[in-house]
Amino acid sequence: DTGVSQDPRHKITKRGQNVTFRCDPISEHNRLYWYRQTLGQGPEFLTYFQNEAQLEKSRLLSDRFSAERPKGSFSTLEIQRTEQGDSAMYLCASSLGGGRNSGNTIYFGEGSWLTVV
Amino acid sequence: AQSVTQLGSHVSVSEGALVLLRCNYSSSVPPYLFWYVQYPNQGLQLLLKYTSAATLVKGINGFEAEFKKSETSFHLTKPSAHMSDAAEYFCAVGSGTASKLTFGTGTRLQVTL
Repeated sequence: DTGVSQDPRHKITKRGQNVTFRCDPISEHNRLYWYRQTLGQGPEFLTYFQNEAQLEKSRLLSDRFSAERPKGSFSTLEIQRTEQGDSAMYLCASSLGGGRNSGNTIYFGEGSWLTVV
Repeated sequence: AQSVTQLGSHVSVSEGALVLLRCNYSSSVPPYLFWYVQYPNQGLQLLLKYTSAATLVKGINGFEAEFKKSETSFHLTKPSAHMSDAAEYFCAVGSGTASKLTFGTGTRLQVTL
């Protein structure tokens, strides 16, 4: 199966520690997205890349959050000085970005659960 | 700005009964609309999508949805519920280039015997 892969699937960390999540998109997909989902809510957009360029960031992405996609393939999402409010599932997704009005399907990974204690 | 409203956070149906999950959207541009399903502790799986072709969209697992511009709705239906349909369902609206999706808060579908 060559779907979107995320690692680790679960992470428990102490408040104040840094954590990093990795995402490997579907191989031919040039767009990569990060979303955050808390219990009882729908996913919320955080940021997206087209190839290695980070094209949009949500205001939800505070300065403690940083995402990279250095070679236009895998991506990392780092959270510095974690807070209990950061506890959530972090979803990575990818798509094949086309022209305007392409309506390309966004495929999601299984998510990485973060618990900050 | 785009938004999605899913009416009913919980829906319960009997096995074999009609499933109807409601979704209304708001978009300043022609929307792309999606339904995703999420099983416990898993990511999201695409059920179907509307991209301005046919207004009645058929998806996987017997689900379908109809785009009604006049009602700004994209309700999800299935003629006969199965126990395996129990999950969380999310409606989402995409931008013109589908660069990001805005999700509703989800509807949890319970299927009873």
